Amino acid sequence: QKEVEQNSGPLSVPEGAIASLNCTYSDRGSQSFFWYRQYSGKSPELIMSIYSNGDKEDGRFTAQLNKASQYVSLLIRDSQPSDSATYLCAVRKGGKLIFGQGTELSVKP
Amino acid sequence: DTGVSQDPRHKITKRGQNVTFRCDPISEHNRLYWYRQTLGQGPEFLTYFQNEAQLEKSRLLSDRFSAERPKGSFSTLEIQRTEQGDSAMYLCASSPRDGSYEQYFGPGTRLTVT
Repeated sequence: QKEVEQNSGPLSVPEGAIASLNCTYSDRGSQSFFWYRQYSGKSPELIMSIYSNGDKEDGRFTAQLNKASQYVSLLIRDSQPSDSATYLCAVRKGGKLIFGQGTELSVKP
Repeated sequence: DTGVSQDPRHKITKRGQNVTFRCDPISEHNRLYWYRQTLGQGPEFLTYFQNEAQLEKSRLLSDRFSAERPKGSFSTLEIQRTEQGDSAMYLCASSPRDGSYEQYFGPGTRLTVT
């Protein structure tokens, strides 16, 4: 079992819709969770961090954490074509981050 | 603040040669990380420093890889006797001393071993 798992996609949504990206992790003791966006050929860009159960909102982005279910998700409201990218979920283990393989999102105009 | 910088951005080398990459973190960030990423995969942890101390090194990392962070500022990653399997994007990240562990990535160095 991988430590951090994501569906590789691609996930395709129409412009203006809500995109829902999911991630599960295996270490029940994990405390810190991150979402990164990575455009093709570029490096990962931090978009959200979440540490407590519940929702955390930042603009069009909402991160949701459920530690009991070992599940973290990212919602993107009013999706735009510019949101088309790979979204990486990361979980902190000690000082380092363990990444999932990423979910490719395509927002169609 | 200009963010994390890496040099070179691209490196093509022949199998068996040594290569060295440099990373300059965001100023006042005390933690510096190296990751490797191949196509279709998430970044894979290699090693990290807190100030000048190397605190962890991946067990997946062979003895051909070494990293330094003299004086707790910039860092170098050296790969000796490169192999074709070393071809990847090498990413550097830094994080602040606020305990958040939020990591900010540089643009990466793309290594191609021929």
